[in-house]
Amino acid sequence: KAGVTQTPRYLIKTRGQQVTLSCSPISGHRSVSWYQQTPGQGLQFLFEYFSETQRNKGNFPGRFSGRQFSNSRSEMNVSTLELGDSALYLCASSLGRGTGRNTIYFGEGSWLTVV
Amino acid sequence: DAKTTQPTSMDCAEGRAANLPCNHSTISGNEYVYWYRQIHSQGPQYIIHGLKNNETNEMASLIITEDRKSSTLILPHATLRDTAVYYCIVRVEIPGNAGNMLTFGGGTRLMVKP
Repeated sequence: KAGVTQTPRYLIKTRGQQVTLSCSPISGHRSVSWYQQTPGQGLQFLFEYFSETQRNKGNFPGRFSGRQFSNSRSEMNVSTLELGDSALYLCASSLGRGTGRNTIYFGEGSWLTVV
Repeated sequence: DAKTTQPTSMDCAEGRAANLPCNHSTISGNEYVYWYRQIHSQGPQYIIHGLKNNETNEMASLIITEDRKSSTLILPHATLRDTAVYYCIVRVEIPGNAGNMLTFGGGTRLMVKP
């Protein structure tokens, strides 16, 4: 069974540009969530989608957005990139029903560098 | 979710058991204890989780105290490849579509030495 797949793995963008990252969850998983990891702030929750609807949102500015498609695949977008957006962006998936019992699995992440 | 406290770093000799402690004194009865690890530049890897009873799988064992206020992750025979940051997280059990999110602390940086 394939794991959580994220593309691209590495990318470099210029300040002011926008970026779209893609995530394919584990087959059968309907919940997809996104996290940002930086050396200074650690791992922080961005948002979660379930059945194409945003179910939870972390404390990030509106420049960070996402969506989920009917096949559960998800994309996140960051507009007007800033140098501080340089980070490892992680996607995670789970079955979606209930919380404590359903394990969340992570992808390998997308490394974004803003120059 | 309940807050967890872990040591910042630990060392372990290769081949010996690594015992990683975690305090979660404010844990509620419906909160699970989860462990993940993150090897440099990779995504967090799920290790094990438990509610009340001790758990064991092919990777590790999880020992939860009777009052559930602390737990220990045990890697029975640590190898160099177990060098990573280990995160202890507690997650609430909410029926229905209440959401899935994890709150990560700083974790424990485990260094396995030859």
